[in-house]
This record gives sequence, structure tokens and C-alpha cells, in this order.
Amino acid sequence: ILNVEQSPQSLHVQEGDSTNFTCSFPSSNFYALHWYRWETAKSPEALFVMTLNGDEKKKGRISATLNTKEGYSYLYIKGSQPEDSATYLCAPNGDSWGKFQFGAGTQVVVTP
Amino acid sequence: NAGVMQNPRHLVRRRGQEARLRCSPMKGHSHVYWYRQLPEEGLKFMVYLQKENIIDESGMPKERFSAEFPKEGPSILRIQQVVRGDSAAYFCASSTGTGASYEQYFGPGTRLTVT
Repeated sequence: ILNVEQSPQSLHVQEGDSTNFTCSFPSSNFYALHWYRWETAKSPEALFVMTLNGDEKKKGRISATLNTKEGYSYLYIKGSQPEDSATYLCAPNGDSWGKFQFGAGTQVVVTP
Repeated sequence: NAGVMQNPRHLVRRRGQEARLRCSPMKGHSHVYWYRQLPEEGLKFMVYLQKENIIDESGMPKERFSAEFPKEGPSILRIQQVVRGDSAAYFCASSTGTGASYEQYFGPGTRLTVT
């Protein structure tokens, strides 16, 4: 079982500002890391899957980086918009199959 | 292509009754995962199934909980003799294959309330 930590727990951001937050995990037994975005009353939605040290992924204004040697991933939101308000979950995999160990999430609230 | 379907979306049961939660994976997906979100907690893995097989049930409570994924039809998570502590949101996810990098697609969840 991986000990997954996400920080901060919550974040209030002004519209237009950029922000970032962290997912930390044990660096041993790493196979992949998934980021999900979860809006209230909806299903978690896959954002990125990352497997290699140094991976960088981007989708629109959201991007993520991965450091498997030190055991962390950053997720960045550039020019935050109210529709970015959601809880962002990370799920590193310590198994070769898809047993996700979700972090508690970072709740992002973007205010106009 | 319809997404992962779960029903019912809301379920109310009295203590001691049985709860049956259904999950239809996305078309072409033969791998199903169940997660539970207790109040004020994150998503916790419960069980991983392929057609007619339970692959990993390490997150399932030892008693009263069971899961199946028959050859035909949806996956079922069954909770017998429910207690108040079973009140939670239960999410199902599916994927096309097994492997750490396969994306899991989530359903909308079933919110179980035990009175």
C-alpha cells in the first residue's frame, strides 16, 4: 500500500492567477501515476497518466510533471478559470496492474 | 459510446437489509473496479474483477460484502445486512486492459444511505 500525500488540501485562487500543487508518494515500486479531476456531483475524469521520470504532460492550461526518483508530481493550472474549480486527485500505482491508491485530493476553488 | 453506468444513483436501506449496486462498464471494457468514498474521506479501492473472476479483493471488508462480474450482465456489489457505517458513495470504474498505465473510467456513483 502506497502512502500518498497531496498538498495543500485546499486552494483558493483568483481568476486569472496560476497555481500548482503536489502529489507525494514513495519512490520505490513505482509503475505509473494518474491525475484525475473531480467536479462536485460528477465522476472523476482522467487528466493524465505518467510513467517515466521527467515526464511532462499538458492539456490546455493544465500541465503536470513527474519525478519518480524523489517521489513527487506537480500539477499546474495556468490562468485559472472558474470552471477549473474541482478536486484534483492523484493516484500512483505501486502494482503492475491498475490498483489505484488515491490521495485525499487538492480542492481548488477559483473565484471571479 | 456510453460511459460507465451505475444504478441506482441513490439507494436508501434500513439497517439489516441488503443493498445491490450495479455497474455496466464501457463497451469493450472487461476490467471493473469498485471504490468507496466514506464521508469526509477519499476514494478507497475495494475490489478488481474481470469477467467471471475476482482478481483482487484486498480492499473489501471481510464480512457482508461481495462482488461479481458475470459473463453476461453488469457487475454487482452486494452488501448484506447493511449497517449505518456502510453509508457512502460507491464508484465503479472500468478499463480496457490491466496494467498500471491503463486509464480507468469512472461511473457517476451510487450514494447509499443506511437509516
